[in-house]
Amino acid sequence: EVQLVESGGGLVQPGRSLRLSCAASGFTFDDYAMHWVRQAPGKGLEWVSGISWNSGSIGYADSVKGRFTISRDNAKNSLYLQMNSLRAEDTALYYCAKDRRGVGATLEGPFDYWGQGTLVTVSS
Amino acid sequence: QSVLTQPPSVSGAPGQRVTISCTGSSSNIGAGYDVHWYQQLPGTAPKLLIYGNSNRPSGVPDRFSGSKSGTSASLAITGLQAEDEADYYCQSYDSSLSGSGDVVFGGGTKLTVL
Repeated sequence: EVQLVESGGGLVQPGRSLRLSCAASGFTFDDYAMHWVRQAPGKGLEWVSGISWNSGSIGYADSVKGRFTISRDNAKNSLYLQMNSLRAEDTALYYCAKDRRGVGATLEGPFDYWGQGTLVTVSS
Repeated sequence: QSVLTQPPSVSGAPGQRVTISCTGSSSNIGAGYDVHWYQQLPGTAPKLLIYGNSNRPSGVPDRFSGSKSGTSASLAITGLQAEDEADYYCQSYDSSLSGSGDVVFGGGTKLTVL
């Protein structure tokens, strides 16, 4: 059974940093691209970032470019999101999502498995 | 404002058929990128409903179907059931937002079963 478990969320002041983690199991992690998608309270889905199976291709939404860094450790079956210079508008539930397509696929989705999310609240 | 446009809400009675539209442009759906659909039940994570414009993952009832034409796509739900009440999102890829391209979502459509 595929499982994605996010952690690392919490309350943080504007301008500070936070690192999210996603522990994956139930599939061959290093065969698939992975993504972070966020959902602000009461709002829709927003893609944040994606990383290919071998970290050779990485993409970011314009809203986080230069502030967030995605990475993965295939030996640990883990995905990460380093979030710096956090802003109030970054407040959201952050989902880790698995790309349905395998090795060699571009970062287009779709996302066939999602975690339950970790809540990030940016407030003073 | 989302790159992909969906109606904010649709509704239908049990047993009826409803459709949800997703309108894009020549840099995303019209450029040939696939459209995917997700269902998000209240308080839960999104679930992949349709991928590659019209394909259903294992376990998704055939009451759900997708189509794509030109710069738009549609999700159709037939034989509407109370448990279909949820938010629905379309997703594609856009090649114009940045040099490398971006995954894009529609703003979401709330389906109410009357």
